[in-house]
Amino acid sequence: EAQVTQNPRYLITVTGKKLTVTCSQNMNHEYMSWYRQDPGLGLRQIYYSMNVEVTDKGDVPEGYKVSRKEKRNFPLILESPSPNQTSLYFCASSPRSTGTPSIFYGYTFGSGTRLTVV
Amino acid sequence: DQQVKQNSPSLSVQEGRISILNCDYTNSMFDYFLWYKKYPAEGPTFLISISSIKDKNEDGRFTVFLNKSAKHLSLHIVPSQPGDSAVYFCAARNFNKFYFGSGTKLNVKP
Repeated sequence: EAQVTQNPRYLITVTGKKLTVTCSQNMNHEYMSWYRQDPGLGLRQIYYSMNVEVTDKGDVPEGYKVSRKEKRNFPLILESPSPNQTSLYFCASSPRSTGTPSIFYGYTFGSGTRLTVV
Repeated sequence: DQQVKQNSPSLSVQEGRISILNCDYTNSMFDYFLWYKKYPAEGPTFLISISSIKDKNEDGRFTVFLNKSAKHLSLHIVPSQPGDSAVYFCAARNFNKFYFGSGTKLNVKP
């Protein structure tokens, strides 16, 4: 089954304790991205990756790191989590845009990781 | 400052009628617009998209309209079904960055 898998689904941690949320996709997609969802703000893009070893900042990258060493994996790292990073996080992937004009097929999202930092 | 706005947090519609969800944006550089549907405890699901060079795209019961002069996007669902009850997000792309609205919760009453 084509899917984006995030782990863990739920996580409670303490301020300052480094954590990693994993994301893996089995669709051979080039693009991957991390979002956070907060009430009244919708989804905001944290980081994205256009391919292996190519990553760039989204709208709200502060306090987060990512890496893309393999095509299928795109972990989100919080080096020193703080309470304002309490949120619902989504990983997403999509194939490369094709054609002229380019056609974008939309992201496939994971089921989410609910993170609480106390 | 949000570049994509959904000003209606909720919408209630009778089954069989039309649902119209609206979205406004500020950035004229957006080249693609998308709608996603989200059920509780699940990730958003891609619904339909439209390129900035078009003004309408249709897929079954779902039609997206783009009015570039007004910087306005809308999603029409006809006929609405109870299973359409969910939160709908509009999103816009500028190069490889995506901007989402805050969502509209649609309730389709049987």
